[in-house]
Amino acid sequence: DGGITQSPKYLFRKEGQNVTLSCEQNLNHDAMYWYRQDPGQGLRLIYYSQIVNDFQKGDIAEGYSVSREKKESFPLTVTSAQKNPTAFYLCASSRGTRETQYFGPGTRLLVL
Amino acid sequence: AQSVAQPEDQVNVAEGNPLTVKCTYSVSGNPYLFWYVQYPNRGLQFLLKYITGDNLVKGSYGFEAEFNKSQTSFHLKKPSALVSDSALYFCAVRDVGSQGNLIFGKGTKLSVKP
Repeated sequence: DGGITQSPKYLFRKEGQNVTLSCEQNLNHDAMYWYRQDPGQGLRLIYYSQIVNDFQKGDIAEGYSVSREKKESFPLTVTSAQKNPTAFYLCASSRGTRETQYFGPGTRLLVL
Repeated sequence: AQSVAQPEDQVNVAEGNPLTVKCTYSVSGNPYLFWYVQYPNRGLQFLLKYITGDNLVKGSYGFEAEFNKSQTSFHLKKPSALVSDSALYFCAVRDVGSQGNLIFGKGTKLSVKP
């Protein structure tokens, strides 16, 4: 987990609310990723960014949005359009998209 | 299309015995293969990877994995299991020649009993 921080550790969302998950890395990595983890389903890619001011949709981008204004930061917003947001969200980074990915400690999102 | 399979949801091993966690993959070209471990409510920790070269890859915490191209497998092994090895293990693959992202298996829960 070293070098990548995620906050908060737990996050509660009310109906119709947008919430933002933070991911920061001090590894000087160019690429950053957001994954969603559900029990028994492994990790699914939401969005990824290869470089500042650029990002691409992953396999399950609907209901999510991201920004990459700084190299070290890649926040994820879970919008009200995401009807089943309860999951464990993991951020990762790598030197390039072909390099080893290193993961943060995760944020667990729960719906009130 | 890339895919990876971990055929066992759970593996049970007695402490001190050897352990194997299985992974098979499918890619159109040559694979990059990875193993990660996840402890409860934590992020994934990188264990080892195969890019090219020696088929036996050594990683962290005494783990190793054997790349078998003919069987398209990359099984994770450890000669002597510890109770502290109990965790969720993920295999991941990507095609060397593509811009595709990592594809993760569904995970295998390893339980090591004293």
